[in-house]
Amino acid sequence: DAKTTQPPSMDCAEGRAANLPCNHSTISGNEYVYWYRQIHSQGPQYIIHGLKNNETNEMASLIITEDRKSSTLILPHATLRDTAVYYCIVRGYGGSQGNLIFGKGTKLSVKP
Amino acid sequence: EPEVTQTPSHQVTQMGQEVILRCVPISNHLYFYWYRQILGQKVEFLVSFYNNEISEKSEIFDDQFSVERPDGSNFTLKIRSTKLEDSAMYFCASSEVAGGSEQFFGPGTRLTVL
Repeated sequence: DAKTTQPPSMDCAEGRAANLPCNHSTISGNEYVYWYRQIHSQGPQYIIHGLKNNETNEMASLIITEDRKSSTLILPHATLRDTAVYYCIVRGYGGSQGNLIFGKGTKLSVKP
Repeated sequence: EPEVTQTPSHQVTQMGQEVILRCVPISNHLYFYWYRQILGQKVEFLVSFYNNEISEKSEIFDDQFSVERPDGSNFTLKIRSTKLEDSAMYFCASSEVAGGSEQFFGPGTRLTVL
């Protein structure tokens, strides 16, 4: 699985968009970008994933650059409850491998 | 909304004792996982399980660890002889398919080994 690089921490004002970047320059053609978050020692929570097209769901949007070497997770209107550690994970899809490799992630602090 | 549940929420044990951590995955999921997180450190994969056998395990998952699906609903992690360094949060997860799709995590069991 390709390695990812994320900033260790970010701040965001409540109600504003939070844009969390992730670099994955060694991503291969069949690898997806996944985002999870962990709110204060709770179990990680799936947010979104994508291959090359931008994706949106009720939680967030995922923007993947055309060369797929980086991506941005966007929380359009951050709330205090979005304060968490956000993990960008790159992995293949399918097959027998199921494990997620978590890095240190980005600690997002949403401030009032 | 269906969710993964784990019991107990907190387990305190003496070094050398056996512990069993329990998980009830989401009912139609077929793939099950255990992860752990030592305080202040990264979430680490331990083992994945499908069709009543281990499909993958990490270096952490040594002979002291075992997993079992004793019935149609529970998925357990047993640590045979606990060590101080086994103190961590243990998270169970399940997914509908392997190698892709989202994994749903439980709230975790905090294991404290004294």
